[in-house]
Amino acid sequence: NAGVTQTPKFQVLKTGQSMTLQCAQDMNHNSMYWYRQDPGMGLRLIYYSASEGTTDKGEVPNGYNVSRLNKREFSLRLESAAPSQTSVYFCASSTRTGATEAFFGQGTRLTVV
Amino acid sequence: ILNVEQSPQSLHVQEGDSTNFTCSFPSSNFYALHWYRWETAKSPEALFVMTLNGDEKKKGRISATLNTKEGYSYLYIKGSQPEDSATYLCAPSVGTNAGKSTFGDGTTLTVKP
Repeated sequence: NAGVTQTPKFQVLKTGQSMTLQCAQDMNHNSMYWYRQDPGMGLRLIYYSASEGTTDKGEVPNGYNVSRLNKREFSLRLESAAPSQTSVYFCASSTRTGATEAFFGQGTRLTVV
Repeated sequence: ILNVEQSPQSLHVQEGDSTNFTCSFPSSNFYALHWYRWETAKSPEALFVMTLNGDEKKKGRISATLNTKEGYSYLYIKGSQPEDSATYLCAPSVGTNAGKSTFGDGTTLTVKP
């Protein structure tokens, strides 16, 4: 059972480049999330999807877009990467938004130069 | 965005010591509180989900209590072991928009053999 799978694990981008982080879960979860984690700080919610077909902004949505492709997949897109987006990105999923534990992917370490 | 405070920021204890951390959050419109354990180079793993005032949870040597009226939760570790070394995160969610859980910055525990 793979759980939550993120790709890629590492990525280096130049300022202005675009990329999409992929996330897939095989637990039949309804809700999916994207977080970023910066040194000395906790996890900050970028976007989440309470159910297939819906998405909503979190604390730090600027510079990102998301797509809930189907129940399994939730992608995060950086249209024009900036050095301030250098971070570790985590995808997570849960059966029901806010009330049940979330399962996290292994993270994507992104560096924007 | 919720104001979530965790204290202390870091803690160093000797093997066998018992310890506790605090998570403070706004008490109004409380929905649920999550505790996660996050080891270096790994992904956060759920410890507890707490929803009721007075709730107490226990998993092995780790336990947690919740006071929703005053807005705090305690996490206790009895007889700390080196393998307990990790960052412990709390994440309360409030109101009807329960997907917007806000993570605290965490308490980093180091247990010395």
